[in-house]
Amino acid sequence: NAGVTQTPKFQVLKTGQSMTLQCAQDMNHNSMYWYRQDPGMGLRLIYYSASEGTTDKGEVPNGYNVSRLNKREFSLRLESAAPSQTSVYFCASSEVDGQGTYEQYFGPGTRLTVT
Amino acid sequence: RKEVEQDPGPFNVPEGATVAFNCTYSNSASQSFFWYRQDCRKEPKLLMSVYSSGNEDGRFTAQLNRASQYISLLIRDSKLSDSATYLCVVNQAGTALIFGKGTTLSVSS
Repeated sequence: NAGVTQTPKFQVLKTGQSMTLQCAQDMNHNSMYWYRQDPGMGLRLIYYSASEGTTDKGEVPNGYNVSRLNKREFSLRLESAAPSQTSVYFCASSEVDGQGTYEQYFGPGTRLTVT
Repeated sequence: RKEVEQDPGPFNVPEGATVAFNCTYSNSASQSFFWYRQDCRKEPKLLMSVYSSGNEDGRFTAQLNRASQYISLLIRDSKLSDSATYLCVVNQAGTALIFGKGTTLSVSS
């Protein structure tokens, strides 16, 4: 049971390049999330997918797109990378019901540098 | 007002000390409350959920005051291995979690 996996672990991009961050979970969770974490800013939600086939914007969606490929996989795409997107990106998954969100499980993160 | 506010610290304490972290949240409709722990350059991991009646897990005690919209975490008999950043987390039913910026704890021998 791998939990939440992310690829790549590290990436350096030049301004204007594009790339896709991959995320997969094997816990059969309905909900998946993408966060970015910057020094002094905490974790900020980029996009989330409450269930297969749905995606919603979070706090900081500009410059990103997402795809919920199936129940297991949720990818994050940077179409034209900018230095402001230098950050650590975390993917997470959880179950959600009417009582509230259960524990979120995080992947190990992708450290992205845009030069 | 930020949705979830924490004192960033750092809190520097000796081994064996008792330390308390506080957190306030702005949305009175919040239903679920958690403390996560994040080690340097690692992903956040759930430390404990916070229940209305308060709950304890070994050396860790979490309290919730809904009237004051306040959550606390008490760590007794601090260990070197407790050094980390502690994240206060809240959410409304069915929505994404809102994370505080975290409080950094450094335990020294």
